[in-house]
Parts: sequence; C-alpha cells; structure tokens
Amino acid sequence: GENVEQHPSTLSVQEGDSAVIKCTYSDSASNYFPWYKQELGKGPQLIIDIRSNVGEKKDQRIAVTLNKTAKHFSLHITETQPEDSAVYFCAAKGSSGGSNYKLTFGKGTLLTVNP
Amino acid sequence: GAVVSQHPSWVICKSGTSVKIECRSLDFQATTMFWYRQFPKQSLMLMATSNEGSKATYEQGVEKDKFLINHASLTLSTLTVTSAHPEDSSFYICSARIGGTDTQYFGPGTRLTVL
Repeated sequence: GENVEQHPSTLSVQEGDSAVIKCTYSDSASNYFPWYKQELGKGPQLIIDIRSNVGEKKDQRIAVTLNKTAKHFSLHITETQPEDSAVYFCAAKGSSGGSNYKLTFGKGTLLTVNP
Repeated sequence: GAVVSQHPSWVICKSGTSVKIECRSLDFQATTMFWYRQFPKQSLMLMATSNEGSKATYEQGVEKDKFLINHASLTLSTLTVTSAHPEDSSFYICSARIGGTDTQYFGPGTRLTVL
C-alpha cells in the first residue's frame, strides 16, 4: 500500500519568514495530493491540493509543488503569520480501484510562527 | 464552501455503554464518507470507508462489530461505538467526499471519553 513520509516533524519560524514542509510517497500511481491544516481540538481543514498532472499550484501565500519523478511534494507558506501556527498534514491518494478514494496521511508537522 | 458537521462535539460515557456519533454534509452530497480516529499528537488513522446504501469497508485491525457504521443517505453517516471501554477514548473525525471528485472535507471531530 501507499506510504507517506513527512518532514520535518516540527518547524519554528519567525513571523514573515517562509516555511516549507516536504512529503514523499511510495506509490507511483498516486494521483491526488491534498494538504490539511489542523488546529488544536479541531478537525483538519483542506488548504490546498494538487493533482498529478500539475507541477505547481498557488493560492495567495500558499503553494504546493509536485515532482512525480522523485515522488515528492512540498507545501510552501510565505510571509508566515502567527495564525499559521498549527499541525499540517500531507496526504496521497492512490489510483488503484481498490483504494476507494482512501487517503494516506503523513505524520504531521507542527508549525510554530513566532511573533 | 463544503461544510461537514459532527454531533456531538464531545461525549462522556460510562464503560459498557454505546455511543452514536453523527456526521453530516451540510451543503453537498457525499458519495463516500470516512471515519478516522486520532490519538494526541498523532496522525489520522482511517477506521472505515462507507458508501451510501452499502456496507462499510473496515481497515485491518478495526473491529466491525464494535464500531458500527451506517450510511443511510448521501448526507448522513453514523458511527456507533458499542460497549465502550476506556481504551476507546479518542478523537473521532469523519470526512465526506464530494461525488465526482477526490476532495474530502473533514468534520470538526468528536471527543469521546469513556470512564
């Protein structure tokens, strides 16, 4: 089955700096890669996603890049703000018929933005 | 945007009792709903996948007789924890997939504490 590795597990940045979180996946047939932000005691919130036929996607301060050859994708947050502090999860969805749209999640990155 | 609700947001029960958690997609029809379990400072663990009108598919190691899932309509899925024990205490989160897409939106989660 799919395996997703996420790094780093914790990341601390100063307000205004950029933050980058990286994930690798094992199933070369995976074709959908969402990123979720989870605040303490809340459910994950979808912040951006990318499909395998696209190399990069941007939404204001957030961008995701995908390298299919290397099987890795990254989340980039620019001009970080204290409210960006949360746990971020990457995920991957395989394309096999038996996957039934299941997502495999990374272990999460705790991002702390210091004022 | 797509909104998923869960009820209750938290519940405390005595050991041996059963607890039902509801998951609703408020502004879209969810072809597939997923139930996850999350322990403190850990990633999301998929418990089961349910499609409207059919039996749920459980992940390996998840007891189907203990965690009963019903997906009676395109907007409602329920998870019943039967004969709950303290080790079942956890954060339970549902997600709903918009039909025709890979996108999953998560509910706010339900904190279950079994005394």
